[in-house]
Amino acid sequence: EVQLVESGGGLVQPGGSLKLSCAASGFTFSGSAIHWVRQASGKGLEWVGRIRSKANSYATAYAASVKGRFTISRDDSKNTAYMEMNSLKTEDTAVYYCTKDWNYGMDVWGQGTTVTVSS
Amino acid sequence: QSALTQPASVSGSPGQSITISCTGTSSDVGSYNLVSWYQQHPGKAPKFMIYEVSKWPSGVSNRFSGSKSGNTASLTISGLQAEDEADYYCCSYAGSSTWVFGGGTKLTVL
Repeated sequence: EVQLVESGGGLVQPGGSLKLSCAASGFTFSGSAIHWVRQASGKGLEWVGRIRSKANSYATAYAASVKGRFTISRDDSKNTAYMEMNSLKTEDTAVYYCTKDWNYGMDVWGQGTTVTVSS
Repeated sequence: QSALTQPASVSGSPGQSITISCTGTSSDVGSYNLVSWYQQHPGKAPKFMIYEVSKWPSGVSNRFSGSKSGNTASLTISGLQAEDEADYYCCSYAGSSTWVFGGGTKLTVL
């Protein structure tokens, strides 16, 4: 079964850090680009960033709202992608999804992990 | 990068057809045939419905169809069914390795 499973969410104070994980199974993870998308409660989807495969030099890209604060990485030996989030703000509170790229769309989604930034 | 513009809500009766619009700019929707659509039921992860404007991923019903004209993409659902009631989001590649989503549209099946 093709699957993505996020973990690592939780409660963090403003200015703090958190690292999310996205474990993949059922497909060739090493050849796939992975996106992170977030959704604040009651709000729409927001694209956060993407990491490409080794063949594409692990290139990363980020939304302006998180650039310089969030870093996406991957460990193909563990079939896992990561997103390290620093200098967190209250407006970063959301459910964070990882999702697999398919022809510039996103075909496989995890169940999401909740990040709450609050004092 | 501003979000793509979708109507907040649309509605239709079972069996009818509805269309959801998604308006962007010449920098995103208008520049690339790389619009995708997602269905999201409450409390669930989004589901991939359409890619490259009008292509169906495996397993998606052909009651769902996509199109594009200029800076506006559209999703049409024909033969509305109760289980189609959900939120729908468009997404476009926006160049420079970035993507932008629409604000979402709540579909109510009357």
